[in-house]
Amino acid sequence: GNSVTQMEGPVTLSEEAFLTINCTYTATGYPSLFWYVQYPGEGLQLLLKATKADDKGSNKGFEATYRKETTSFHLEKGSVQVSDSAVYFCALTGGGGSNYKLTFGKGTLLTVNP
Amino acid sequence: DAMVIQNPRYQVTQFGKPVTLSCSQTLNHNVMYWYQQKSSQAPKLLFHYYDKDFNNEADTPDNFQSRRPNTSFCFLDIRSPGLGDAAMYLCATSNLLAGETDTQYFGPGTRLTVL
Repeated sequence: GNSVTQMEGPVTLSEEAFLTINCTYTATGYPSLFWYVQYPGEGLQLLLKATKADDKGSNKGFEATYRKETTSFHLEKGSVQVSDSAVYFCALTGGGGSNYKLTFGKGTLLTVNP
Repeated sequence: DAMVIQNPRYQVTQFGKPVTLSCSQTLNHNVMYWYQQKSSQAPKLLFHYYDKDFNNEADTPDNFQSRRPNTSFCFLDIRSPGLGDAAMYLCATSNLLAGETDTQYFGPGTRLTVL
């Protein structure tokens, strides 16, 4: 079945540092890939997505590129802010599995210090 | 703005006392989902409605039920809450077309406490 493996946290950075959160997946075919962000006490917000190989999703300074050859979808941001402190989930649907069921990674807690 | 709304945001119930959580959406999406999320874990899908068609996950306890009276509303009923049911409950929607994958949009969640 499908699975998502993402970088174990927690990750602690200083403001304006570069962020990478690694995400790799296992799926047959071509899944759709997502990054969701969850701020403390809140629901999940869609951060970005990509639906086919070599697509780059981007939003709010975050980027991730769908790499079929390495089955990866790493999240990056050039300069993090304190307000980016949250839990980040990598997820997928489709790809030989269900078109509706999200398969999540375990989440990565990011803390950004001023 | 089109959105997914959950009420209440915080719910306290007693052990064994039935509780209902509600979700509404203005997105006119055909699929509504309920997830359970425990502390420091990823959300776990309980069930979903594709239009009026109810789909239960195999490992969802019978204690959890759901109703979708119309496109906009979906309810999660916990018949006899146990201490282990304390969690964040997330509602999500998507506009899933046959044979395609689509994006799920989440509400803010209801934090359930069981005393």
